[in-house]
Amino acid sequence: EADIYQTPRYLVIGTGKKITLECSQTMGHDKMYWYQQDPGMELHLIHYSYGVNSTEKGDLSSESTVSRIRTEHFPLTLESARPSHTSQYLCASSEYHSPEAFFGQGTRLTVV
Amino acid sequence: GQNIDQPTEMTATEGAIVQINCTYQTSGFNGLFWYQQHAGEAPTFLSYNVLDGLEEKGRFSSFLSRSKGYSYLLLKELQMKDSASYLCAVREENSGAGSYQLTFGKGTKLSVIP
Repeated sequence: EADIYQTPRYLVIGTGKKITLECSQTMGHDKMYWYQQDPGMELHLIHYSYGVNSTEKGDLSSESTVSRIRTEHFPLTLESARPSHTSQYLCASSEYHSPEAFFGQGTRLTVV
Repeated sequence: GQNIDQPTEMTATEGAIVQINCTYQTSGFNGLFWYQQHAGEAPTFLSYNVLDGLEEKGRFSSFLSRSKGYSYLLLKELQMKDSASYLCAVREENSGAGSYQLTFGKGTKLSVIP
């Protein structure tokens, strides 16, 4: 059973608000990822990290930012939310040399 | 960069066998993954191939041909609960960076009917 948690599961916020999506894992994994997925569409990597103080942008441009101050925690922040940010955000983690990534349940974000 | 192609939708009958194909174009190939994603849920890992050949895990098998840029996921003895999207994902080594990136295809939505 994977131990990776995302909060909140669902969020509806107004345009211009600042939000932080939380992701925590208790498996001690070095690698963590954020994916964005629109309904029925593919997952797009927006951020990843290979360890503490390591953050990289993925292949999909995103206005969000991330931080990795602790191994277990990889929050994603939107400074000013817009309706175009409406999507599902999935966090994942993996051991450094393992091919298997474990996904959280996702945060479904709606910006109105 | 990569280009990953898989069929958008497939339908199969309960108890049957179905093969979901995936083709890819990439440099720095470092493995191919299959994930299962039920509607509204997170993806779950099914299989991983890095060498050519067939990997079998219960009712699921995955095949890889690196020279052809081709993989398939084979599901046997289909059950209704197998109705889900199946995501093909390719891991690519970022040139000179010593790091890897996993890119997902759009997924194949499989519907299992009685």
